Amino acid sequence: GDSVTQMEGPVTLSEEAFLTINCTYTATGYPSLFWYVQYPGEGLQLLLKATKADDKGSNKGFEATYRKETTSFHLEKGSVQVSDSAVYFCALSPNTGNQFYFGTGTSLTVIP
Amino acid sequence: EPEVTQTPSHQVTQMGQEVILRCVPISNHLYFYWYRQILGQKVEFLVSFYNNEISEKSEIFDDQFSVERPDGSNFTLKIRSTKLEDSAMYFCASSVGGYTEAFFGQGTRLTVV
Repeated sequence: GDSVTQMEGPVTLSEEAFLTINCTYTATGYPSLFWYVQYPGEGLQLLLKATKADDKGSNKGFEATYRKETTSFHLEKGSVQVSDSAVYFCALSPNTGNQFYFGTGTSLTVIP
Repeated sequence: EPEVTQTPSHQVTQMGQEVILRCVPISNHLYFYWYRQILGQKVEFLVSFYNNEISEKSEIFDDQFSVERPDGSNFTLKIRSTKLEDSAMYFCASSVGGYTEAFFGQGTRLTVV
């Protein structure tokens, strides 16, 4: 079945460090891929998305490229800030059916 | 900016009681979802709803659960005979289409005591 495997956390980085959170997926067909972010005490917010192979989603300095050959959608940011501290979820929506499959989430803490 | 709203933000209930969690999806969205997140764990799919009927449900969504769209705006999740293990954050979400991004509410934290 469809699934998402996400890098285990927690991740702790110093401010201005480079961030990568790995995400790989298993799906039949051509799913849409998403990154959601959950700030402490809040709900899930869409961070970025990509709907087809080689698409790059970007928002707030974060980027992720839909790589069909490696079935990956890794999240990157060149210079993290303290305000980026949150839990990040990779998710996919298959092109059949209408639910989202979430990864386990990766907790990021950025220290000054 | 349109958003999904959920009420209440926190509900405490005694084991065995029934609870109804309420959601107002974004007005032009056609697909509605319920997810739950047990503290510190992954976000789990419960059910999706389209065209006034359930379109998909997970194995978690057994006879204890039901969903309803009682009017043109609300979307509710009813949990009958609550158990301690139902304690979780419940998220409602909606989307325009079946494969487009879903927008989530702030969640209802359900505590069963």
